[in-house]
Amino acid sequence: AAGVIQSPRHLIKEKRETATLKCYPIPRHDTVYWYQQGPGQDPQFLISFYEKMQSDKGSIPDRFSAQQFSDYHSELNMSSLELGDSALYFCASSLTPKFGGYTFGSGTRLTVV
Amino acid sequence: GENVEQHPSTLSVQEGDSAVIKCTYSDSASNYFPWYKQELGKGPQLIIDIRSNVGEKKDQRIAVTLNKTAKHFSLHITETQPEDSAVYFCAARYSGTYKYIFGTGTRLKVLA
Repeated sequence: AAGVIQSPRHLIKEKRETATLKCYPIPRHDTVYWYQQGPGQDPQFLISFYEKMQSDKGSIPDRFSAQQFSDYHSELNMSSLELGDSALYFCASSLTPKFGGYTFGSGTRLTVV
Repeated sequence: GENVEQHPSTLSVQEGDSAVIKCTYSDSASNYFPWYKQELGKGPQLIIDIRSNVGEKKDQRIAVTLNKTAKHFSLHITETQPEDSAVYFCAARYSGTYKYIFGTGTRLKVLA
């Protein structure tokens, strides 16, 4: 079965650079969620989109922005990167927000040096 | 505020024994509680979930119980196997949102 696809799997950036993470949800899933997971930490909710509109916002820094496109894929744009942004970034998708648990992708490991 | 407490943070059991992980949530209007298993370098994988109108749910060796009055829910794994070793996260979906608040995770080690 198709899963949530995230790219790239690994990304190394220098401080103050920008990064773009991509997420391709499971086919027909219309809701995308972004989470950030620091080393040894639980996932922290960043932002979500339903039908291309922002549906929830969590602890996403102002330096980050995200959007969902017409094909339902989503991109997380991160600017002025800081060392503390180094983390695993997970995308998850679901069929409408009301349906059960969502499926996570394998994540993008961002390292800021 | 939104908070999910999870205990214990680490748990070691002998193969074949049972493991129990407990979580407590703060928002009494929360209506959905999933459990995720995360292996090293992988994304969290949904293993079982329970809705607020159900007290217990079982799927083979895994069961989840919910006590709405006490705002507690627990994961029970019976006949543990080495491949059950992973980090387990509970989560609660808060009313009016579709985001999950995760617990802090339990690192389960099943000793062969």
